[in-house]
Amino acid sequence: QKEVEQNSGPLSVPEGAIASLNCTYSDRGSQSFFWYRQYSGKSPELIMFIYSNGDKEDGRFTAQLNKASQYVSLLIRDSQPSDSATYLCAVRAYGNNRLAFGKGNQVVVIP
Amino acid sequence: EAQVTQNPRYLITVTGKKLTVTCSQNMNHEYMSWYRQDPGLGLRQIYYSMNVEVTDKGDVPEGYKVSRKEKRNFPLILESPSPNQTSLYFCASSSPQRGAPYNEQFFGPGTRLTVL
Repeated sequence: QKEVEQNSGPLSVPEGAIASLNCTYSDRGSQSFFWYRQYSGKSPELIMFIYSNGDKEDGRFTAQLNKASQYVSLLIRDSQPSDSATYLCAVRAYGNNRLAFGKGNQVVVIP
Repeated sequence: EAQVTQNPRYLITVTGKKLTVTCSQNMNHEYMSWYRQDPGLGLRQIYYSMNVEVTDKGDVPEGYKVSRKEKRNFPLILESPSPNQTSLYFCASSSPQRGAPYNEQFFGPGTRLTVL
């Protein structure tokens, strides 16, 4: 079982719609969960982090964490063309600086 | 400006010719790491360093070396590059916050390496 899994394949959403991205992880000792956005050819940039069960909202972004199900998701509300990018889920175990990344989900927002 | 810098940004080389990719951060971070990113494989960690003179292997260390003689610098060395090391490389740094579950990793701009 891969350490961090994200659904493969690009996600196309119309402008103004909600984009939903999912991520599962295998290590129950994982403590912190991150969503990075990466534009083509650029470096990843952190957009959200979460470490408590439940929802965390920041502007148009909402991260959801369910540790019992080992599941973390990212919602992008009112999607904009500038949200078109690859979104990387990353997980960090307790007491460890190492980040394990998923392969990423490409999001395409259609004007 | 707080940043992680990498040089060179682009490099085309030939098999077997030793090369070094430099990485430097100005945020006084203890933790530094190297990743490679390949299509369909995502970001994979090559080596990491918890502090000066402390380095350890990541997920894909074969064919790479690192050193951490100074806190700000963490060069990646390819002693004898091969075509399968053609990839996009990222350096990252962070500062562990004791007792806190969150510490952001800051990424450099990337180095696109092609080995012919």
